[in-house]
Amino acid sequence: EIVLTQSPATLSLSPGERATLSCRASQSVSDYLAWYQQKPGQAPRLVIYDASYRGNDIPDRFSGSGSGTEFTLTISSLEPEDFATYYCQQRRSWPPTFGQGTRVEIK
Amino acid sequence: EVQLVESGGALVQPGGSLRLSCAASGFTFSNYEMNWVRQAPGKGLEWVSYINSGGNTKNYADSVKGRFTISRDNAKNSLYLHMNSLRVDDTAVYYCARADIVGATGPDFFDYWGQGTLVTVSS
Repeated sequence: EIVLTQSPATLSLSPGERATLSCRASQSVSDYLAWYQQKPGQAPRLVIYDASYRGNDIPDRFSGSGSGTEFTLTISSLEPEDFATYYCQQRRSWPPTFGQGTRVEIK
Repeated sequence: EVQLVESGGALVQPGGSLRLSCAASGFTFSNYEMNWVRQAPGKGLEWVSYINSGGNTKNYADSVKGRFTISRDNAKNSLYLHMNSLRVDDTAVYYCARADIVGATGPDFFDYWGQGTLVTVSS
């Protein structure tokens, strides 16, 4: 199965700062990569799909890039509601797999 | 408005069985592939099972293969997960999740999720 490795595990930033999250795949997933946001006690929310397309009602401060094995989620200017855990997920091959998550916390 | 509402989670002893349900509304359920995804307490997300729109193609994570069965009733707009031979490490919140594309082949992204139902396996 394809292993996704996210870094860093925790990102400590202040509101207004730029967040850069990484996801590395153990083999190429082409652009079949998504990012999800999850807040405590809530279900995940699709933020980015196909590496660079924003999900429904996702603000344009969120952007995704990359292809193959290296991907990045960027939040251009953190809002208070953006502090959460973010997971990447691939659908290139069975089984679909998730990264272990990056927690974005308030510094 | 798309809604997915899970139910059926409970405390069950190791070796026991449970059936989870997911009631769908706000979209044409019979058109969409569906999945179950779980999250152990304090841990990350793990895909569990997939079923296609017609219910005749199913996939399972190795960790549940042979113990869990996914099914659906399109007339009732409902998705199910039958869980047998439950183990302590099956303890998790179980989410039903809708595939993001109608008619896609292969694994899915998940564009709508339910709120989850907690399964606790413990003696």
